[in-house]
Amino acid sequence: KNEVEQSPQNLTAQEGEFITINCSYSVGISALHWLQQHPGGGIVSLFMLSSGKKKHGRLIATINIQEKHSSLHITASHPRDSAVYICAVGYSGGGADGLTFGKGTHLIIQP
Amino acid sequence: KAGVTQTPRYLIKTRGQQVTLSCSPISGHRSVSWYQQTPGQGLQFLFEYFSETQRNKGNFPGRFSGRQFSNSRSEMNVSTLELGDSALYLCASSLLGHSNTEAFFGQGTRLTVV
Repeated sequence: KNEVEQSPQNLTAQEGEFITINCSYSVGISALHWLQQHPGGGIVSLFMLSSGKKKHGRLIATINIQEKHSSLHITASHPRDSAVYICAVGYSGGGADGLTFGKGTHLIIQP
Repeated sequence: KAGVTQTPRYLIKTRGQQVTLSCSPISGHRSVSWYQQTPGQGLQFLFEYFSETQRNKGNFPGRFSGRQFSNSRSEMNVSTLELGDSALYLCASSLLGHSNTEAFFGQGTRLTVV
């Protein structure tokens, strides 16, 4: 069974700071997803990665397959970035299993 | 294009009752997965449907079931509701499955069992 560990669990930072959220998993995966969840419940997909690095605006996601580790970075953080960030992995090998989720990182950006 | 639509958004049921939740995926998406989110357990996978067939199932009791129709819309049913079934139920659609294609989530149905 794949275990997904996220750190930190909670993070409070000042506006403008560079934010890093980490995700580690235990077995081979086919893809890793970074998700954002705001109060009220809706989840938005930020990135899906299987290798390398992706960038979208102020968000950057990287993955190291050999080390089974991914990071989500937020540059020039803003209070509207306050949300729960969730790492989720899809298994490799046949079939299409559901995602396995980390417990999330609760991020608060203070003005 | 329209996103993933879940209905209803909120639901209150009594223990022992049953409930049916609906999910309409993004047009063209054939995979629909269901997840349960609770404060204690976080997000957990319930099951996935692809082209009307259940492809995989998480570790939930048989009271939780689902189906997918030919237009890819999906329903999940929970019978004999228990207090512990109170949760946010999310569905997500993708083109081929979450293992290797992007997942798009609905807003969820918040179920309260009293």
